[in-house]
Amino acid sequence: AQKVTQAQTEISVVEKEDVTLDCVYETRDTTYYLFWYKQPPSGELVFLIRRNSFDEQNEISGRYSWNFQKSTSSFNFTITASQVVDSAVYFCALSEGVNSGTYKYIFGTGTRLKVLA
Amino acid sequence: GAVVSQHPSWVICKSGTSVKIECRSLDFQATTMFWYRQFPKQSLMLMATSNEGSKATYEQGVEKDKFLINHASLTLSTLTVTSAHPEDSSFYICSARTLPGNYYEQYFGPGTRLTVT
Repeated sequence: AQKVTQAQTEISVVEKEDVTLDCVYETRDTTYYLFWYKQPPSGELVFLIRRNSFDEQNEISGRYSWNFQKSTSSFNFTITASQVVDSAVYFCALSEGVNSGTYKYIFGTGTRLKVLA
Repeated sequence: GAVVSQHPSWVICKSGTSVKIECRSLDFQATTMFWYRQFPKQSLMLMATSNEGSKATYEQGVEKDKFLINHASLTLSTLTVTSAHPEDSSFYICSARTLPGNYYEQYFGPGTRLTVT
C-alpha cells in the first residue's frame, strides 16, 4: 500500500547547523510525484518543492536541497546553515494514482524542526 | 497564480450548531477540491474529494451526513459541519486542483480553525 514515512518526529538544532529531514515512501505506481511542504505556526502550508518519479536530479534552492533516490525510495530534505525562521513542521507528500486518476496526496506524519538561537 | 482562499480563518461556534467553511480558487478553475482535517501535532487527513457538479467522495470513516460538501461551481466548494461537537474542533484545510494543467498537484488554502464550545 502507498505510504509516506517521516521517522523523525522532532528535531532540534542550533542555528547555523545543517539538518536533514528524512522521507521514505512506498508506492506501486511507476509515475508519481513527491512534495515537501513547510507548515509554520500560522498553519498555512507552504510549498517547497515538487519532483516527479522520472527526475532523479538533486535540487538546490538557496539553503535548501533535496536528494531523491528511487533505489531507496527516499526523498530527503536538507537545510544548510539553519535559521530560527526555519522552525516549523515539514511534511513530505506523495501524489499518485495516475492509473486511477485520483491523484490523492498521501502525507507523512511530519517532522517538527526547532532551530534554537 | 494558483491562489486558494478560505473563509473564515477561524470560527468559534456552540455545540449543536452548524458552521460553513468556504474554499475558493481565486485565479483558476478548480475541477477538483479536497478537504483535509488536521488535529494538533498531527498530519493532514483527507476527508473527501469533490468534483464540480457531482457528489463528494468521502474517505472511509468520515461521516458524510455530518460533513456536507458542496462544489457548486468551478471556483467554490463549501464544507458544512452539521451539529458540531467539541470533538469536531480542528484545523480544516482545503486544496484545489486544476484541469488541464498540473493534475498531480494541489494548491492549498490557508486553513480554517474551528473551535466548538
